[in-house]
Amino acid sequence: EPEVTQTPSHQVTQMGQEVILRCVPISNHLYFYWYRQILGQKVEFLVSFYNNEISEKSEIFDDQFSVERPDGSNFTLKIRSTKLEDSAMYFCASSTNPGQGSGTEAFFGQGTRLTVV
Amino acid sequence: GEDVEQSLFLSVREGDSSVINCTYTDSSSTYLYWYKQEPGAGLQLLTYIFSNMDMKQDQRLTVLLNKKDKHLSLRIADTQTGDSAIYFCAETAYSGGYQKVTFGIGTKLQVIP
Repeated sequence: EPEVTQTPSHQVTQMGQEVILRCVPISNHLYFYWYRQILGQKVEFLVSFYNNEISEKSEIFDDQFSVERPDGSNFTLKIRSTKLEDSAMYFCASSTNPGQGSGTEAFFGQGTRLTVV
Repeated sequence: GEDVEQSLFLSVREGDSSVINCTYTDSSSTYLYWYKQEPGAGLQLLTYIFSNMDMKQDQRLTVLLNKKDKHLSLRIADTQTGDSAIYFCAETAYSGGYQKVTFGIGTKLQVIP
């Protein structure tokens, strides 16, 4: 069964360092998303991406964050200068389209646990 | 804005039925999801219901939707110890034509052998 895959599963980084979280969405999906879950809190929307540009972002997604689709298969989230409060589980998701019909649900990856020390 | 509320904890005995409840605010939600998260793992889509349905059954899982009250429930029949996990209710909202999933805080299900 097709699935969204994320690497690495766990990343430890020093405060101030740049990190890149990688995702391979399901191959025929066109819409991509990043969410994060701080320990003990809700899963929060960060950004959606379509046609090589951001379609929507939350207030969490500030200038420290960027997303990119560097090739036909990968979708990345970059945090330029990590802060302690960036420690969270980051989930990538993809969907065929954002519409409201059947088959448009988002599929989530297993997540990357980012620990900033 | 969109909000999803659910209780934090539920404890049941193995073999009993579990019912996890959720309320949501966005009346325009088209899909409502249930995700399962085991310790240290990612989000596993368990089931979902389209907003024009009242009920959906999938093996041991039954989802009930009361659109008038914006209430969603997940019933797990014959609950097993392997069902112990956090269960997230989620709704979809469409903003500017793009999908955004809003999650509840998650209900931790503890199954007692």
